[in-house]
Amino acid sequence: GAVVSQHPSWVICKSGTSVKIECRSLDFQATTMFWYRQFPKQSLMLMATSNEGSKATYEQGVEKDKFLINHASLTLSTLTVTSAHPEDSSFYICSARDSTTEAFFGQGTRLTVV
Amino acid sequence: AQSVTQPDIHITVSEGASLELRCNYSYGATPYLFWYVQSPGQGLQLLLKYFSGDTLVQGIKGFEAEFKRSQSSFNLRKPSVHWSDAAEYFCAVGVSGGYQKVTFGTGTKLQVIP
Repeated sequence: GAVVSQHPSWVICKSGTSVKIECRSLDFQATTMFWYRQFPKQSLMLMATSNEGSKATYEQGVEKDKFLINHASLTLSTLTVTSAHPEDSSFYICSARDSTTEAFFGQGTRLTVV
Repeated sequence: AQSVTQPDIHITVSEGASLELRCNYSYGATPYLFWYVQSPGQGLQLLLKYFSGDTLVQGIKGFEAEFKRSQSSFNLRKPSVHWSDAAEYFCAVGVSGGYQKVTFGTGTKLQVIP
């Protein structure tokens, strides 16, 4: 299958700082990318859907000013956690799909805010 | 809104034994159903999916799943489990064109003992 790469795999940041997570589709053009959040021992919760060149659509309860999503190209979407706090510590996973509707997941990013 | 229930949080099986992971969904129309596997600290890998047609679907790594509309179920099976199958398994239901919006179950953690 196609490859979706997330970077970094893990990151530790200080409370109050911002951190950016990248999601890249390596061998296909991702018209749509999804960002999920996974709390320990819980399932994945969809945070937002982004289409290339458009503003992201956020799920209810997700602060769009805190979780900034940019999908500027067909191979790259970024999630920026602004003014991070310890409660933002989580496992963030992206997935990307092309026009064939197949969705592929990245390996995830473990964010720890101290 | 759609929902997915995985009643078993944790399952332990012996290597070589058969496996069945349960999944029940709730959705008013014909669902798009998925099973994903997640190894520790990793992203998700699609095992198989059901969109339409034959209700018994074959996936990768020797897994299969059967869609039973009358029971609103999509149970995952494998006739002989290998130690490398130890992971967390997520059932998911998609709406609005398959991958556009996917809701995940809470997951079942599979432990394989020698």
